[in-house]
Amino acid sequence: QLRLQESGPGLVKPSETLSLTCDISGDSIDTGSHYWAWIRQPPGKGLEWIGAIYYSGVTLYKPSLETRLAMSVDSAKSQFTLKMSAVTVADTAVYFCARSIDNTGFSSPFEKWGQGTLVSVSS
Amino acid sequence: QSVLTQPPSASGTPGQRVTISCSGSRFNVGVNTVSWYQHLPGTAPRLLIYDNNRRPSGVPDRFSGSKSVDSASLAISGLQSEDEADYYCAAWDDRLSVVFGGGTKLTVL
Repeated sequence: QLRLQESGPGLVKPSETLSLTCDISGDSIDTGSHYWAWIRQPPGKGLEWIGAIYYSGVTLYKPSLETRLAMSVDSAKSQFTLKMSAVTVADTAVYFCARSIDNTGFSSPFEKWGQGTLVSVSS
Repeated sequence: QSVLTQPPSASGTPGQRVTISCSGSRFNVGVNTVSWYQHLPGTAPRLLIYDNNRRPSGVPDRFSGSKSVDSASLAISGLQSEDEADYYCAAWDDRLSVVFGGGTKLTVL
């Protein structure tokens, strides 16, 4: 059974880089059957798509965040990662990783999600 | 402010049918399919509907989706107490991102 688990520091200082990892169990990231995404939810607000990556390393980022983002895949470790630079208080959120329902494209809906991890940006 | 517009709240009594609307534009809902998610805070969101009206395996047929022009709706029939949650619509936006609605908090009275 597929399980996604986010991990990373719960507290990041302003202007520093946020790094998160999504560990995948019960599936192989390099089958090419799905896209792998990051979505966040600021406190008291709705969901926000951050970006996604395909097993080949092709990425698509939310345009307004693009200059601060880097995603990567590590098939050997069965995980994918998110790096967000120059964070501010506005980046405080619960961060979810998710798997798309198929490989039709970056628009493919998210069938499986992790439980989410809270990242707070504060000095 | 979210790209897709949802009512902030909805409510119903057990057994009732409730609908939640999602309004978009010619860049997203008007030209692409809509999905719906159920989210209980502290848990993983759950995909309820995709491609406007398809249900993943395991989702009860009490949940149904529809779309017309640039608006979509989620209907829940036979409302149950465990349906109390936040519901989000989402769609691909041709300006190259996935966009979500602001979420609707459903209360079962």
